[in-house]
Amino acid sequence: AQSVTQLDSHVSVSEGTPVLLRCNYSSSYSPSLFWYVQHPNKGLQLLLKYTSAATLVKGINGFEAEFKKSETSFHLTKPSAHMSDAAEYFCVVSDQTGGSYIPTFGRGTSLIVHP
Amino acid sequence: GAGVSQTPSNKVTEKGKYVELRCDPISGHTALYWYRQSLGQGPEFLIYFQGTGAADDSGLPNDRFFAVRPEGSVSTLKIQRTERGDSAMYLCASSPRLAGGVNEQFFGPGTRLTVL
Repeated sequence: AQSVTQLDSHVSVSEGTPVLLRCNYSSSYSPSLFWYVQHPNKGLQLLLKYTSAATLVKGINGFEAEFKKSETSFHLTKPSAHMSDAAEYFCVVSDQTGGSYIPTFGRGTSLIVHP
Repeated sequence: GAGVSQTPSNKVTEKGKYVELRCDPISGHTALYWYRQSLGQGPEFLIYFQGTGAADDSGLPNDRFFAVRPEGSVSTLKIQRTERGDSAMYLCASSPRLAGGVNEQFFGPGTRLTVL
């Protein structure tokens, strides 16, 4: 069985400071891991994905995440927050449980960016 | 090109009524997923299609929920005898053919269902 835990329901940062959104996962197989962003009244958009290639994954808008198998973590980071980064972020795990890839979403982390 | 579209964007219905929610995936995407997202939660998997057939429907909560994709493109999620607990945002996503793993999913804007 697979599961994902987003450790913070809300993260608040000032514009220009670093962002860290934490995600831990559980998987019986080699998982694929994703981060999606959801802006208000907009559809979910992929930020980045890990599929067993390089453990440090770079995504859009300056975000990146590092896959750490020993810690079962896939934290999302950005060196400098921008006001436009304010949104809901979802960590997603997917493995071949039961023979098909069914994504499991975390509960989400709301990123608040102060001017 | 055109993204995933969902209609209607909002649906208000009364308890006990039947509703249909439509999803138009990106042209050429063979995989199609339905999710339900309640307020303050992440999307919850309902069903996924590979082509015309339901490859996995393990997320459907009960037999009041049903989905079809008769020609391998447009999909309809059908809910019978709606209950107030069915109120949520229903999301559709499409994805290119699986290739040894799961690909990026492209999401529609969702249909917000309210059952009074």
